[in-house]
Amino acid sequence: DTAVSQTPKYLVTQMGNDKSIKCEQNLGHDTMYWYKQDSKKFLKIMFSYNNKELIINETVPNRFSPKSPDKAHLNLHINSLELGDSAVYFCASSQSTLGEQYFGPGTRLTVT
Amino acid sequence: LAKTTQPISMDSYEGQEVNITCSHNNIATNDYITWYQQFPSQGPRFIIQGYKTKVTNEVASLFIPADRKSSTLSLPRVSLSDTAVYYCLVAGPNDYKLSFGAGTTVTVRA
Repeated sequence: DTAVSQTPKYLVTQMGNDKSIKCEQNLGHDTMYWYKQDSKKFLKIMFSYNNKELIINETVPNRFSPKSPDKAHLNLHINSLELGDSAVYFCASSQSTLGEQYFGPGTRLTVT
Repeated sequence: LAKTTQPISMDSYEGQEVNITCSHNNIATNDYITWYQQFPSQGPRFIIQGYKTKVTNEVASLFIPADRKSSTLSLPRVSLSDTAVYYCLVAGPNDYKLSFGAGTTVTVRA
């Protein structure tokens, strides 16, 4: 069974569109994260959710919004997509911030 | 959050030991040091975690000096399949401002 899954794996869309990326974890973890990895391999935290509450919100545009319908899911909604949003987005989960993070396979977003 | 500094890249050959040092001068008392490995087109994967001295598991060792301002990940007898990006992460309890930086690209050659 896949511990952390993301859909879709690839997403190609045009500027100005709105898209969503879904994430699910079956590990029973309390915390989930969204990361953005750019072409230079920098892996930057975007959001984290702990027990359905947003813990941090880094300096990301408000076009990005996390939605957590339950503890096992943390979806990422992106409005008015821009060229600079092109990157690989990773979802992850952990039992705590000290614990091992389990990452999903990533979603490669390409904005044209 | 303790900022970390790692070398951008390292080259090695099969069978050699690879040591990657991470600097974290501002590490807090409650912070732990964790290393992750990432292969192309995959998410990062946990390797090892430690607080002080030495930690060893089946894939790596982590050496942390007494002042904890740096740490060294040691990969014994690397193979071609160890070619990956290695990230050092320093974080403490309830420390949600996590950032992995750019990592160290390790290339193992035959």
